[in-house]
Amino acid sequence: QKEVEQDPGPLSVPEGAIVSLNCTYSNSAFQYFMWYRQYSRKGPELLMYTYSSGNKEDGRFTAQVDKSSKYISLFIRESQHSDSATYICAMSEEETSGSRLTFGEGTQLTVNP
Amino acid sequence: DAGVIQSPRHEVTEMGQEVTLRCKPISGHDYLFWYRQTMMRGLELLIYFNNNVPIDDSGMPEDRFSAKMPNASFSTLKIQPSEPRDSAVYFCASSLLTGGGYTFGSGTRLTVV
Repeated sequence: QKEVEQDPGPLSVPEGAIVSLNCTYSNSAFQYFMWYRQYSRKGPELLMYTYSSGNKEDGRFTAQVDKSSKYISLFIRESQHSDSATYICAMSEEETSGSRLTFGEGTQLTVNP
Repeated sequence: DAGVIQSPRHEVTEMGQEVTLRCKPISGHDYLFWYRQTMMRGLELLIYFNNNVPIDDSGMPEDRFSAKMPNASFSTLKIQPSEPRDSAVYFCASSLLTGGGYTFGSGTRLTVV
């Protein structure tokens, strides 16, 4: 079983829809959770960074962490065509870079105009 | 800052040839990571350096792969001899000791025929 599970999709939604992307994990020591966005033929870029359980909001994006369920989510409100990308969750046990990131496989999202 | 710079962007080579991928991390970053991304496996960590010293190379698939970081502003990943199964996108990423996520380069798309 993989440490981090993420549905690869693809997921296709119309513009304006609310998008929900999810990851589950098995390592209870994970404390730092990230979402990366990767456009086609580009490198992943950090989108959201959260610590422990709770919500974090940044514009149209909300990251949720439920450590009791080992489940994290990324919500995109008022989705736009420019949100079309692959979204990859990542997590680590410690904040310092010496603690390796474990990545999900990524979910490919298409927002149709 | 120009971000993490990788070269070349694309590389097509014949099986058995030597391939060298290059990376310039963000100035001041303490950590440098080499990842390989494929559709089947997602992002796989190959090796990472801290202050130019290799810390963990357990992800390097076999002896055909080697990586060096002669100074804080340059790293190479070499494959010799290359095989078709090495075809993938190779990413370099750098980060600060304090964490906060990685900054990825745009990647090198390697095709071995």
